[in-house]
Amino acid sequence: SAVISQKPSRDICQRGTSLTIQCQVDSQVTMMFWYRQQPGQSLTLIATANQGSEATYESGFVIDKFPISRPNLTFSTLTVSNMSPEDSSIYLCSTRGGPNYGYTFGSGTRLTVV
Amino acid sequence: AQKITQTQPGMFVQEKEAVTLDCTYDTSDQSYGLFWYKQPSSGEMIFLIYQGSYDEQNATEGRYSLNFQKARKSANLVISASQLGDSAMYFCAMRDMYNNNDMRFGAGTRLTVKP
Repeated sequence: SAVISQKPSRDICQRGTSLTIQCQVDSQVTMMFWYRQQPGQSLTLIATANQGSEATYESGFVIDKFPISRPNLTFSTLTVSNMSPEDSSIYLCSTRGGPNYGYTFGSGTRLTVV
Repeated sequence: AQKITQTQPGMFVQEKEAVTLDCTYDTSDQSYGLFWYKQPSSGEMIFLIYQGSYDEQNATEGRYSLNFQKARKSANLVISASQLGDSAMYFCAMRDMYNNNDMRFGAGTRLTVKP
């Protein structure tokens, strides 16, 4: 199974600023997924990132707010822009390189916006 | 559209006893995979067990087993001999095996193991 290194693990940010989250995979993967988990909630897919093309965003998520980069097959970043307290969540990256074609996840980024 | 339902927001179990976490799903796909993940307070997502829609036998992984009832569209997780370290959030998830789309998650169940 693929192993994903995600950083930062947590951060406290001021409203109006931006934070970039990085995910590094130990093998080449075609698709990477970014999820948001609001406090006490389940995981919600933000976008799917393929190398060499623009990310595909789910309903309710826009590129201006959550720009994503995918420069190669082992790396992706998610930026949370112009943050507000409502953006306080755990953000997780994942890929399909898990057991039984399941997903492997990064360790998550716990974001608090004050 | 796929939908995953976990109706138990929270569950308690005594240490060393077994517990069942419920999961029902709705899909029109014929080939799909069902997954259970554990999320401790640290926030990471840990894969526990997988069941394919064409698998005739229930999946087992150590103390975890999946009670798969395809006609009822249920995929309940059974944890035997509960341990204090089992206290966590548990998510049921499903993905369509042909479309290679994203995985959809249920709302989760918070399990607390009491000593």
